[in-house]
Amino acid sequence: NAGVTQTPKFQVLKTGQSMTLQCAQDMNHEYMSWYRQDPGMGLRLIHYSVGAGITDQGEVPNGYNVSRSTTEDFPLRLLSAAPSQTSVYFCASRRRAEQFFGPGTRLTVL
Amino acid sequence: GNSVTQMEGPVTLSEEAFLTINCTYTATGYPSLFWYVQYPGEGLQLLLKATKADDKGSNKGFEATYRKETTSFHLEKGSVQVSDSAVYFCALSDDSNSGYALNFGKGTSLLVTP
Repeated sequence: NAGVTQTPKFQVLKTGQSMTLQCAQDMNHEYMSWYRQDPGMGLRLIHYSVGAGITDQGEVPNGYNVSRSTTEDFPLRLLSAAPSQTSVYFCASRRRAEQFFGPGTRLTVL
Repeated sequence: GNSVTQMEGPVTLSEEAFLTINCTYTATGYPSLFWYVQYPGEGLQLLLKATKADDKGSNKGFEATYRKETTSFHLEKGSVQVSDSAVYFCALSDDSNSGYALNFGKGTSLLVTP
């Protein structure tokens, strides 16, 4: 099992550019989520999905879109990147009470 | 709403010292409680968990007891090692959260020196 995988590992964008952060899991978990980690802030929930075709907003959803067409994949889209979106992004999947995190994507928006 | 408060770091200890990282929570439901660890440059790993009051989670010499009366879940280790240097996050989850999402504390950085 690869667990939760994320690509890319690092990314630099210019303000206004768009991109998609990829997340995949091979554990057949229904629940997946995206968090962002900022210094001194812990992790905050962006969006989550309880199964294919079902997504919902978390604590900080503005500026991000998600979709869930398959159980395995849960991409996060930035339509028009802003410097405030500079952060480390973690994808996670959940089985019962335990969440499994990917290695993260470090995004810098100039 | 739910929230988690943990002691601020950084915490610096000598090898073999006793570690305590305080964590308290506020929750509207009956939460499960977690400690996650993040080693430099890596994602978060579950360290231990407790799903009901008075449960004790333990792993790799770390322990934490779910205290409902004091709404606390303090992390302890009797003798830390250099390899324990990392950032530790306290978190909770319950059915009032979005799909059982995690509420995290801000993290406590631990540095253990030889």
